[in-house]
Amino acid sequence: GAGVSQSPRYKVAKRGQDVALRCDPISGHVSLFWYQQALGQGPEFLTYFQNEAQLDKSGLPSDRFFAERPEGSVSTLKIQRTQQEDSAVYLCASSLAGGIVSTQYFGPGTRLLVL
Amino acid sequence: ILNVEQSPQSLHVQEGDSTNFTCSFPSSNFYALHWYRWETAKSPEALFVMTLNGDEKKKGRISATLNTKEGYSYLYIKGSQPEDSATYLCADSGYSTLTFGKGTMLLVSP
Repeated sequence: GAGVSQSPRYKVAKRGQDVALRCDPISGHVSLFWYQQALGQGPEFLTYFQNEAQLDKSGLPSDRFFAERPEGSVSTLKIQRTQQEDSAVYLCASSLAGGIVSTQYFGPGTRLLVL
Repeated sequence: ILNVEQSPQSLHVQEGDSTNFTCSFPSSNFYALHWYRWETAKSPEALFVMTLNGDEKKKGRISATLNTKEGYSYLYIKGSQPEDSATYLCADSGYSTLTFGKGTMLLVSP
């Protein structure tokens, strides 16, 4: 079946520009996660949804970052007034349920470059 | 160990070689340990989820072991093939999130 998809795959933004990154999770998956992977680092947690509820946003680095999942399926990660330090790969993952041993299935990521 | 750490950072082996790498994680408040394989331009692929001390899992030529008391997991690849070239990530599972190491980048030359 279809996996997690993300769009766009690549995005080049000028510093100060707003960007929106989209994630389509696996159909029926309750939980959705966003991670940020900077160059040379492992993916780092940004935020977590269970259905439409954002249960944890402790990893969002600043108030310029905003995520939503209004109907409990597709999610959008928005970054306002992008800065060079926002350049990274943004990964989305979904799982059938939340919890410790649930496998998270990842999309291919959106590679964001801020000039 | 306060964070998830992986070693080596990178590894270059010849086709047919067997190899292994290490993931270290905080042994207190352990819940689960995940291994992923991430090939360039593809999605990270889940390999194993491990929870029990002494657990050993196998998928084809890849296997993993878990020691929760001392906080480490080993990933083994037997008879490496060029298609095994990828970054291998491990992650410590909290209640709802994963804390990743930086990964081990494996290159297998024909």
